[in-house]
Amino acid sequence: KQEVTQIPAALSVPEGENLVLNCSFTDSAIYNLQWFRQDPGKGLTSLLLIQSSQREQTSGRLNASLDKSSGRSTLYIAASQPGDSATYLCAVRPRGSRLTFGEGTQLTVNP
Amino acid sequence: NAGVTQTPKFQVLKTGQSMTLQCAQDMNHNSMYWYRQDPGMGLRLIYYSASEGTTDKGEVPNGYNVSRLNKREFSLRLESAAPSQTSVYFCASQDHRPVMNTEAFFGQGTRLTVV
Repeated sequence: KQEVTQIPAALSVPEGENLVLNCSFTDSAIYNLQWFRQDPGKGLTSLLLIQSSQREQTSGRLNASLDKSSGRSTLYIAASQPGDSATYLCAVRPRGSRLTFGEGTQLTVNP
Repeated sequence: NAGVTQTPKFQVLKTGQSMTLQCAQDMNHNSMYWYRQDPGMGLRLIYYSASEGTTDKGEVPNGYNVSRLNKREFSLRLESAAPSQTSVYFCASQDHRPVMNTEAFFGQGTRLTVV
């Protein structure tokens, strides 16, 4: 059974800091990995999708990497802003087609 | 461009009442999902549908039924609501083909309280 773990569970940083969120998964047989953002009381917004054949994806200040062999992904946020405060979730899509989620990292960026 | 639309957004039920949560997507995706999200437990899969007319149980299917009548719509039914089903419910859709890996898109959620 695929299990996804996100560390840390919560993170508080001052504005402007670069930061890294971690995601690990137990079964490397995945189609892709996706990072989401969730604001309080809202749905999930897709940030980045990394295919199993890719090593990284970038969107603006966000960079996500994937190391399938070690079962790890990182989400790098450059020059963090208060508007980045949210919960960040990673999800893997195993060969069985069901998305499996981690429990998320709650990020607070302090002005 | 609506994406994934869920109705209702909020609902309060009494124990034992029934209701159906509706979900529709306009992206022509073949896979659709229902998740529930609870504090400290993350997102857990209730049911999913890989294509029109097919459904499969997820991690926590007890107390729920689903229906995928067409490609666009995937509904979740609570036959006899229990307080343990108080949660936020999310519907998602994704294109699932052997050589095509696409993003999953989520609705805005239904906040359900069972009293």
